[in-house]
Order: sequence, then C-alpha cells, then structure tokens
Amino acid sequence: SYVLTQPPSVSVAPGKTARITCGKNNIESQSVHWYQQKPGQAPVLVINYDSDRPSGIPERFSGSNSGNTATLTISRVEAGDEADYYCQVWDSGSDHVVFGGGTKLTVL
Amino acid sequence: EVQLLESEGGLVQPGGSLRLSCAASGFTFSHYAMSWVRQAPGKGLEWVSTVSAGDSSTYYADSVKGRFTISRDNSKSTLYLQMNSLRAEDTAVYYCAKGNGDYSYYYHMDVWGQGTTVTVSS
Repeated sequence: SYVLTQPPSVSVAPGKTARITCGKNNIESQSVHWYQQKPGQAPVLVINYDSDRPSGIPERFSGSNSGNTATLTISRVEAGDEADYYCQVWDSGSDHVVFGGGTKLTVL
Repeated sequence: EVQLLESEGGLVQPGGSLRLSCAASGFTFSHYAMSWVRQAPGKGLEWVSTVSAGDSSTYYADSVKGRFTISRDNSKSTLYLQMNSLRAEDTAVYYCAKGNGDYSYYYHMDVWGQGTTVTVSS
C-alpha cells in the first residue's frame, strides 16, 4: 500500500493558526479523516469526511482536501492543542486503512 | 455512552500467543465494523485489522496476515484479536476502535478504547 506524507513537526505560537498537511497523489479522490493524540492517551477523531467536525470538537478545527494535499487547520491555537495529529484514508485497492506518519504540533 | 474496554495485554515470549478482547457498550455492536490499531513505542499509528459488520469479512495488514485473527461475537458485543507467532516487532499498545459504519470508502474510527500493552520479549 502507499504512504500518506505528513511533516514530522509543526510549531506555532499561541493564538496563531497551525496547518498540518497530508500528501498523496490525487488524495482529493479519497475521504480524509484526522485524529488528535495527546501523550499517554488514545487517539480522538477531530475531523471526518475531509472537513466535518464530530460533536464536541471546537470550531477552531477545520479541514480541507484538494489536489494532492489534505490540510488540517487549527485556528487560534491553544496550549491544549499540543499533540500528535494523524491523517487517515481507506484504500480501495487493498481494502486497507492507511495512516499518515503523524505530525507533532508544538505550541511555542 | 459509547465505551470500548480492552482486556489486559501482557508479556509474551517470541513465538508465543495472546488473545485480546474488547467489550463494547452504548451502541448496537452488530451494526458497525470494528478495528484494531497498534502503536509501537515512540512510533505512529498502524492499522492492524478490521472485521466488517454484515458478513464479518476480515481484513489484515500485511505485517500480521497469517499470524493474527480478528473475530467478533455480536451476542456478547465483543471484539477479539488472536495473535500467534508473536515477534518482538509486535510490541505495541493495541487499540480497539469502533468504525463509523461498514468497511468501505468513508471508513474511519470514531471511538477508541484506552489501549492495552503487549510486550514480546524473552
């Protein structure tokens, strides 16, 4: 199967906007989902179907998917947003779930 | 409230076996595909296996195919992962996760268990 490419790390100051990318050829043809994982905790779904927010997820979290890149955007970043973030798709060719390598978000 | 409670993992010798279970509550278990996802120490998430909702079709990552078996008991709302021929590289936290529906194009995992640690070492 293929790899979803994420930057290993992203740093942002509090109150600013963080953008975490997930790359793959023609990823726009797939539905992308995003998870947040804080240290020692299980992952939490923060964006599904490219841009929808599950119940309870702040409006500061948004997503987009176009061309070869899907993007998770976190506006007005808070210290509590510091975590690892993973993108995920379902691969119809192999019937496999595929995760990105993960991005560590650091709030400066 | 939707809850997933994994059984205790443990320390297993290389070549050994272990069965994980995941007790589900708060939703109609039989209606949803269920997955196992693992995370090796200091590493990212790795999908392991999924069992579908309807006909209980099973799907495996190449790294575990032929060694692991996923199954479900809808009467008990419980998911299982039988792990055989364990290797050091299977050492990880194993998460049980509820799918959003059946296993297809839009599949993702909307509820996760707390995870259970499996250590393969002599």
